[in-house]
Amino acid sequence: DAKTTQPPSMDCAEGRAANLPCNHSTISGNEYVYWYRQIHSQGPQYIIHGLKNNETNEMASLIITEDRKSSTLILPHATLRDTAVYYCIVDGGATNKLIFGTGTLLAVQP
Amino acid sequence: GAVVSQHPSWVICKSGTSVKIECRSLDFQATTMFWYRQFPKQSLMLMATSNEGSKATYEQGVEKDKFLINHASLTLSTLTVTSAHPEDSSFYICSVRPVAGVHEQYFGPGTRLTVT
Repeated sequence: DAKTTQPPSMDCAEGRAANLPCNHSTISGNEYVYWYRQIHSQGPQYIIHGLKNNETNEMASLIITEDRKSSTLILPHATLRDTAVYYCIVDGGATNKLIFGTGTLLAVQP
Repeated sequence: GAVVSQHPSWVICKSGTSVKIECRSLDFQATTMFWYRQFPKQSLMLMATSNEGSKATYEQGVEKDKFLINHASLTLSTLTVTSAHPEDSSFYICSVRPVAGVHEQYFGPGTRLTVT
């Protein structure tokens, strides 16, 4: 079973920051938080991952709370092409088996 | 990121026939590949882990005799849906883990299977 909880859907205005929350209250010390997204009818795309520090790359920022029980993915300037289902996944990394939950459908509005 | 291809991108077959789907890692060798299935408006479900040179590991509830996986080389894994039925119609996606220690996985574009 997925170890994360995400809102089923969110809207965001184009050009604004999109903040996608994820709860992972049962995360263990060696488990990473991964974010992937899936644009309609395509394979998922890796976005970012982190263990306990905040992370930033060219696509997004990942903010992880100090107790590691929740995190937020931030798309700083959302565009229409960011409309997708965003999946937050917790995994220890040993097997790399990604168990997908239901994700959040982000709809970026013009 | 790494490039993963799948072939075919879509296929329509008749009930009772078998269909083979290929997953190729185009720019690196992969000892491990994963196969997922996704029904409309649902999330991805992991079916099996494909290991180069050895038997695949199937997730609970996935019939290994129906979904045959062969990982004969470091760049190619195949999934064969045997004796396909309409309920096997789905979006099949593979993913690749480049090397141990690299966290991200790279996914193929998916294969849409329709069984009539």
